[in-house]
Amino acid sequence: DAGVIQSPRHEVTEMGQEVTLRCKPISGHDYLFWYRQTMMRGLELLIYFNNNVPIDDSGMPEDRFSAKMPNASFSTLKIQPSEPRDSAVYFCASRGIQGVTEAFFGQGTRLTVV
Amino acid sequence: QKEVEQNSGPLSVPEGAIASLNCTYSDRVSQSFFWYRQYSGKSPELIMSIYSNGDKEDGRFTAQLNKASQYVSLLIRDSQPSDSATYLCAVTGRAGSYQLTFGKGTKLSVIP
Repeated sequence: DAGVIQSPRHEVTEMGQEVTLRCKPISGHDYLFWYRQTMMRGLELLIYFNNNVPIDDSGMPEDRFSAKMPNASFSTLKIQPSEPRDSAVYFCASRGIQGVTEAFFGQGTRLTVV
Repeated sequence: QKEVEQNSGPLSVPEGAIASLNCTYSDRVSQSFFWYRQYSGKSPELIMSIYSNGDKEDGRFTAQLNKASQYVSLLIRDSQPSDSATYLCAVTGRAGSYQLTFGKGTKLSVIP
C-alpha cells in the first residue's frame, strides 16, 4: 500500500485565491482526518469523516474552510478565500477499525499564502 | 476542551543516555494513548501505543501510563542522534472515539 497520499506537497498562493488540498486515504480505512500544524498551535484537528460522512467539524476555523469526502478514496479541503494566517502544513490521516487503531499520516501540504 | 500538555523543550541528552518525555491530559475518560515521532519537515509517525496502566516496552522505547494521575511518558534508552526529533503525545476520548488530540510536542536533541 502506498500509504496516505496528499497533493500538492507545496502550494503558494496569493491572498484571496481559492486553495484546494487533496487526500487519498489508505484503502479500507474508515476514518479520515484533516489536521493543520503551525509552530504556535501545534497539530490541530480540523474535521474528521467516518465512512465518508463528516462527524465533527468543530475544529474548522471559519466558514472559509470546507471539506468533502465524495467517496472512500478521496477527500478535499478547500479554503476560499485564502488569507496569510492560513499558512501552515495541512496533514491528512486515515485510520481503520478492525485491529488497527493507529492513524497514518500523509506527507502533508505546505501552504503559503502571500 | 480536551487538552494534552507537553514540555516544549528542547530536551538535550548525551548519546547513550535515557531520554524521558512526559505528557499530561485533561480528559479523564481518555482510553488510548500514542507517541508519535516527527522529524523536521516530515509527517508524524507512530512509535508507541498504550491502552492500560503500567509499562509497555518495544525495543529501546518504553511507554508508561498512569490513568489516575492522567500522565503518560516515553522513555528512550541508549539514545541515538537519529532519535533527535519532536515527540508528540496523542490521546483519544472515550471508548469508541477515534479522534486524536495532540500535544504540541517535545523537541529532543541527542548530542553525539
